[in-house]
Amino acid sequence: EDQVTQSPEALRLQEGESSSLNCSYTVSGLRGLFWYRQDPGKGPEFLFTLYSAGEEKEKERLKATLTKKESFLHITAPKPEDSATYLCAVQGPSNTGKLIFGQGTTLQVKP
Amino acid sequence: GAVVSQHPSRVICKSGTSVKIECRSLDFQATTMFWYRQFPKKSLMLMATSNEGSKATYEQGVEKDKFLINHASLTLSTLTVTSAHPEDSSFYICSARVEGDTQYFGPGTRLTVL
Repeated sequence: EDQVTQSPEALRLQEGESSSLNCSYTVSGLRGLFWYRQDPGKGPEFLFTLYSAGEEKEKERLKATLTKKESFLHITAPKPEDSATYLCAVQGPSNTGKLIFGQGTTLQVKP
Repeated sequence: GAVVSQHPSRVICKSGTSVKIECRSLDFQATTMFWYRQFPKKSLMLMATSNEGSKATYEQGVEKDKFLINHASLTLSTLTVTSAHPEDSSFYICSARVEGDTQYFGPGTRLTVL
């Protein structure tokens, strides 16, 4: 069964304290792995799409990496405005476009 | 990035009434849109896949007669919650799929059924 597990469930950081969020997945034939940011009461905001192992993408303080079993979202020198829930999702081999979401990691960055 | 809008952002209705939620792709055409439901502090639960010009595909356990989906054009999908009851109160989010399989999400609609 296709599955996505994110860890930790919650993470508290001091401003400037770098860390990583993990997304482990089990899927038969990965078409893509997606990272989103969600603020309370809003829809998910797209961050990155990764397609193959070894791929990396960066945007400001965020960097996403992908291996055959997991993805990491690295946050460098976070700021309070980076506080949000980060969602990871995978798409399997079918062309339906259906995403399987993890439960998310809620990040709180304290000033 | 692609922009997806939802309307209304918030709706309160009485039990037994029907509510329609619109999802629009503003700067691109989307042959496939998705409808999700999200409970407090939980992840997104896919309800159905909406394909332009054809019937929606519902996930197991989702009542298709209760949650009517219409994908009338390449930029508009609607979700109608029929005969709403308090247990239908939730945060409903739509998304639209672009080339490369990335989905862009709308801002969500908070439905409260009294």
